[in-house]
Amino acid sequence: QKEVEQNSGPLSVPEGAIASLNCTYSDRGSQSFFWYRQYSGKSPELIMSIYSNGDKEDGRFTAQLNKASQYVSLLIRDSQPSDSATYLCAVNRNTGGFKTIFGAGTRLFVKA
Amino acid sequence: DTGVSQDPRHKITKRGQNVTFRCDPISEHNRLYWYRQTLGQGPEFLTYFQNEAQLEKSRLLSDRFSAERPKGSFSTLEIQRTEQGDSAMYLCASSYGTGEIDGYTFGSGTRLTVV
Repeated sequence: QKEVEQNSGPLSVPEGAIASLNCTYSDRGSQSFFWYRQYSGKSPELIMSIYSNGDKEDGRFTAQLNKASQYVSLLIRDSQPSDSATYLCAVNRNTGGFKTIFGAGTRLFVKA
Repeated sequence: DTGVSQDPRHKITKRGQNVTFRCDPISEHNRLYWYRQTLGQGPEFLTYFQNEAQLEKSRLLSDRFSAERPKGSFSTLEIQRTEQGDSAMYLCASSYGTGEIDGYTFGSGTRLTVV
């Protein structure tokens, strides 16, 4: 079982729709959760971090965390073609180690 | 704040040669990380520094790999006796913190091709 699992996609949504990206993780001790966006040929860029169960909103982005289900999601409202990228889910235990573990990413394609 | 800088951007080397990459983190960031990414995969952890101390090193890092961060400023990653399997994007990232791990700022990466 991979430590962080994501559907590789591609996930294709029309412009203006809500894109829903999902991630599951195996380590119940994980405490910090992140979403990164990576455009083709570029390095990852942090877009959201979440530490507590529930929802966290930032502009068009909402991160959702459910530690009991070991599930993290990212919703992108009013999707734009410029949102087309690979979205990486990442988790960290904070204790007993310092490494953040990344999933392989979900490719999102927003059709104009 | 000029972001995280990595040098070189691209490196082509022959198998068996040694290569060294440099990373300059954001100046006030005390944490520095090296990751490796291959096509279609997420970044894979290599090593972590807090200030000048190397606090964690991946078991994936063979003894051919070494990293330093003298004086807690820039960092270097050296790969000795390169192999074709070392071909990847090497990413440096930095952050500031004393407690829980925060999100990173990544550099643009160094793309290594071993021929």
